[in-house]
Amino acid sequence: NAGVTQTPKFQVLKTGQSMTLQCAQDMNHNSMYWYRQDPGMGLRLIYYSASEGTTDKGEVPNGYNVSRLNKREFSLRLESAAPSQTSVYFCASRGQIYTGELFFGEGSRLTVL
Amino acid sequence: EDQVTQSPEALRLQEGESSSLNCSYTVSGLRGLFWYRQDPGKGPEFLFTLYSAGEEKEKERLKATLTKKESFLHITAPKPEDSATYLCAVQSGATNKLIFGTGTLLAVQP
Repeated sequence: NAGVTQTPKFQVLKTGQSMTLQCAQDMNHNSMYWYRQDPGMGLRLIYYSASEGTTDKGEVPNGYNVSRLNKREFSLRLESAAPSQTSVYFCASRGQIYTGELFFGEGSRLTVL
Repeated sequence: EDQVTQSPEALRLQEGESSSLNCSYTVSGLRGLFWYRQDPGKGPEFLFTLYSAGEEKEKERLKATLTKKESFLHITAPKPEDSATYLCAVQSGATNKLIFGTGTLLAVQP
């Protein structure tokens, strides 16, 4: 059972380039999330999807877009990367949106030069 | 305002030296308090959920407790493999937000 799988694990971009982080879960969870983790700060929610077909902004959505492709997959897109988006990104899933524990992927480390 | 504060930021223990990590919270209507363990270069791994004051959960050398204002993660006779960052998060029943603390970095030396 793979759980939550993220790709790529590492990426270096130049300012202004675009890229998409992919996430897939095999636990049949309804809710999926994208977080970023920066030194000295707690995990901050970028976007979430309560269920297939819905997406909502989290705490820090500016500069990002998301797509809930189907129940399994939730992607995060940076249209024009900025150095402030250098971070570690985590995808997570949960059975229901406001209850139960989150299951996290292993993270995607992004550096924007 | 919903808030989570973890202390200390970092803790160094000798193997076998028991201690506690603290998670203080202010939240509108606690729906759940979660503890996670995060190893370097990995995603957080779920440990415990606590729902109401007085509740306790145990797993191996770890025991989590909850009051109306804080939670403690007690580590009994730690081993080097317990070294990790421990994260606390609270789910607000009023705002539905899940707020994470910044974590406690635990190092257990042999």
